[in-house]
Amino acid sequence: GEDVEQSLFLSVREGDSSVINCTYTDSSSTYLYWYKQEPGAGLQLLTYIFSNMDMKQDQRLTVLLNKKDKHLSLRIADTQTGDSAIYFCAEKLDNYGQNFVFGPGTRLSVLP
Amino acid sequence: DTEVTQTPKHLVMGMTNKKSLKCEQHMGHRAMYWYKQKAKKPPELMFVYSYEKLSINESVPSRFSPECPNSSLLNLHLHALQPEDSALYLCASSQDETGEGDTQYFGPGTRLTVL
Repeated sequence: GEDVEQSLFLSVREGDSSVINCTYTDSSSTYLYWYKQEPGAGLQLLTYIFSNMDMKQDQRLTVLLNKKDKHLSLRIADTQTGDSAIYFCAEKLDNYGQNFVFGPGTRLSVLP
Repeated sequence: DTEVTQTPKHLVMGMTNKKSLKCEQHMGHRAMYWYKQKAKKPPELMFVYSYEKLSINESVPSRFSPECPNSSLLNLHLHALQPEDSALYLCASSQDETGEGDTQYFGPGTRLTVL
């Protein structure tokens, strides 16, 4: 069955880089996503990567995908206090239908 | 415009009440979703509508009844809920295109409390 795992907590100092990791089990995943959720709010799409790509960069965000190890990471450069939130990794299992699976979320705390 | 709106933002209801949650998007998306999210947990999929037809129902109790009146609107009708149904209810939409990045966009959620 499908399963997405993430470490639950990460603390970094303001200005440092944050790296949030995710592993997934289903090799039929076509797209992998990173979402950010601030307290009491909905999920904000940060970025996504197609499964045949290794890397995607978007301003301060860098996504790395190791398809062989089924490992996905999100690097946030120059982390700011406004980046404090829960970050969810999610996968879409195949090209048909709407089957999205979310990880448990990583709570990022940015210390001044 | 990548906005999904949800009303109300907060809802408190008794176990005998009937209420509805509403969701709207104007991005031309053809898939719409309801998720339930408990505190400190990821969203759990409840229902998916594709082209206004119910395509996924994840064994949700019948006290939750979804409705998709048109391609822009999604409702969730609530009746005889239990206190354990208290949660954040999230609506999302996506293009429902195969072969492309079918990205979900989420609304801000409705915080539901059942007394």
